[in-house]
Amino acid sequence: DSGVTQTPKHLITATGQRVTLRCSPRSGDLSVYWYQQSLDQGLQFLIQYYNGEERAKGNILERFSAQQFPDLHSELNLSSLELGDSALYFCASSPEPRSSYEQYFGPGTRLTVT
Amino acid sequence: AQSVTQPDIHITVSEGASLELRCNYSYGATPYLFWYVQSPGQGLQLLLKYFSGDTLVQGIKGFEAEFKRSQSSFNLRKPSVHWSDAAEYFCAVVARGADGLTFGKGTHLIIQP
Repeated sequence: DSGVTQTPKHLITATGQRVTLRCSPRSGDLSVYWYQQSLDQGLQFLIQYYNGEERAKGNILERFSAQQFPDLHSELNLSSLELGDSALYFCASSPEPRSSYEQYFGPGTRLTVT
Repeated sequence: AQSVTQPDIHITVSEGASLELRCNYSYGATPYLFWYVQSPGQGLQLLLKYFSGDTLVQGIKGFEAEFKRSQSSFNLRKPSVHWSDAAEYFCAVVARGADGLTFGKGTHLIIQP
């Protein structure tokens, strides 16, 4: 158990809908990362937050957005969903937003868009 | 932009045999290097990491990896695999100063009895 929690574990929704994925980092970690794992794209870095502020952006679509709240939990919002958004979404956390710190991964949220 | 190549999509190894998973990276300087393991239905667990210093790094579960700058490689090894090692293995890099990991496509390890 990494100490990172993600809810829900599974999510099934229809095309065009909007969903919110939630992540609670390990106690004391200030930095949260979001990753998408799909069959065709593999594991891709989406976005990073540090202490409530956006820190780095990866291959995140404009239909996707994220935020980190004062209690340090983070939410990833996916809107206008398409079939291709079906994937496993991971959250990771680290103490500081430095690449030298290990990122601890949560168990993921499996999103199925029908 | 940095990239990671794991040339082997699947590898089958007999239980008790040795294992080597290959990883090559492309980056202008030496990045930080990682190996993660993902068991079915699980998140990713860090096996080991290389930042600097000794090019042979030891990790958890009996794994080790060797950084070879001249070959831009960071291959993962284990002298004797166990059935519980069956999983997906990912090599990842991050540029020093950057934050998001760049992953390879992964190698699926199958253990034969």
